[in-house]
Amino acid sequence: GDSVTQMEGPVTLSEEAFLTINCTYTATGYPSLFWYVQYPGEGLQLLLKATKADDKGSNKGFEATYRKETTSFHLEKGSVQVSDSAVYFCALSASKIIFGSGTRLSIRP
Amino acid sequence: DTGVSQDPRHKITKRGQNVTFRCDPISEHNRLYWYRQTLGQGPEFLTYFQNEAQLEKSRLLSDRFSAERPKGSFSTLEIQRTEQGDSAMYLCASSLKDGATQYFGPGTRLLVL
Repeated sequence: GDSVTQMEGPVTLSEEAFLTINCTYTATGYPSLFWYVQYPGEGLQLLLKATKADDKGSNKGFEATYRKETTSFHLEKGSVQVSDSAVYFCALSASKIIFGSGTRLSIRP
Repeated sequence: DTGVSQDPRHKITKRGQNVTFRCDPISEHNRLYWYRQTLGQGPEFLTYFQNEAQLEKSRLLSDRFSAERPKGSFSTLEIQRTEQGDSAMYLCASSLKDGATQYFGPGTRLLVL
């Protein structure tokens, strides 16, 4: 069945460091791909999405490109901030959403 | 606020009791989804509705769980004879149609003692 595998955490970086969180997927069709973020004490928020191969989703300085050839959707940000500390979930969607297990990111000042 | 809302936000109950949660989706959204999230894990799909019709149920949804969406608007999720393993965050989401972006509510955190 469809599945998502993402980089295990926790990931700890210093402020202004470059961030990559790896995500790969397995799917029978051509799903949409998402990154959701969960800030401490808050609900899930959509961070960015891509609906077809080679699409790039971007938001708040984060980017991810839908790579069909490598079945990947890695999340990147050039310069992280303390406020980016959260749990990040990679996900794919056919009818329902299938989530990865999440990556906890902590940014040190 | 026109987002997805859930009630209650927190629920503590004793093992064996029944609990019911409510979800109010974004008003024009036809699809409504329930997920369960345990500590340190990603959300897992439970069930979804297209208007009032329940179209899919996960094998995670044992016979103690029942969900309804009687008028195609709000939905309820009931857990009968709760067990400690039911302790989790229960998330509701809604979307306009199949494949559209799902928007999540804040969740109901259940603790079964």
